[in-house]
Amino acid sequence: AQTVTQSQPEMSVQEAETVTLSCTYDTSESNYYLFWYKQPPSRQMILVIRQEAYKQQNATENRFSVNFQKAAKSFSLKISDSQLGDTAMYFCAFYPGSGNTGKLIFGQGTTLQVKP
Amino acid sequence: DVKVTQSSRYLVKRTGEKVFLECVQDMDHENMFWYRQDPGLGLRLIYFSYDVKMKEKGDIPEGYSVSREKKERFSLILESASTNQTSMYLCASSYGETYNEQFFGPGTRLTVL
Repeated sequence: AQTVTQSQPEMSVQEAETVTLSCTYDTSESNYYLFWYKQPPSRQMILVIRQEAYKQQNATENRFSVNFQKAAKSFSLKISDSQLGDTAMYFCAFYPGSGNTGKLIFGQGTTLQVKP
Repeated sequence: DVKVTQSSRYLVKRTGEKVFLECVQDMDHENMFWYRQDPGLGLRLIYFSYDVKMKEKGDIPEGYSVSREKKERFSLILESASTNQTSMYLCASSYGETYNEQFFGPGTRLTVL
C-alpha cells in the first residue's frame, strides 16, 4: 500500500529562522507527484509547492524549497526566513501518477508554530 | 481566482438524520473531491468525481454517497448520520489530470450528536 508519513506532529520556529518539515512515502511507482499543502488556522488549504518525481531538480517557490531524495523516498519542506503568516498545518501529499484516478494520499500533517 | 465554496462552515445534526453537504466551484473543473480530516489521520478521500454523474469511491466511502448532477456542484450525503462521522469535511476541485493542483473549500465542521 502507498503511504505518506509525517513524523513530526508539531514543530515551532522563531521568526526569521529556517525550519524543515519531514515527509517520507512508500511506493513502487517510478513516476509520481509530491505536494506540500498549507492549511492556516480557520482558512482554506492552499498548495505550497509541487515536485514531479522524474525531475531531479528540487522545486522552489520563494522562501519554500524541497529536498527530494527519490531513492530514500523522502520529501522534506524547508521554510527560510520564517514569518508569522507561515503558522499553519502542513500536509505532505503523494499522487501515484496517471491511471490512479483521484487518489491523492495525504500524510498526517505537521502543525507549525512561528513564534515572534 | 478559483473559488470553492461549501454550504456551511458548521453543522450540528442528530444521529440518524440525513445530511447533505454541498460544494460548488466556479472554474469549470472536471474533478471534484470530498475528503474527511481528522486529527492524526490527515485527509482521507471519501469520494471523487471526474465528470458529471461519474463517481469513484475513495478510501473511506462507507456510510456516504455523492451526487454530481451539474459540473460545478458536488454533494456529499450521509444517509443516516452517526457519531463517528463527526469530523471536518473538505471539498476540493482540480482541472484535467488529477496531479494538478487541487483547490480546497473552507471546510464544514460537522458534529453528530
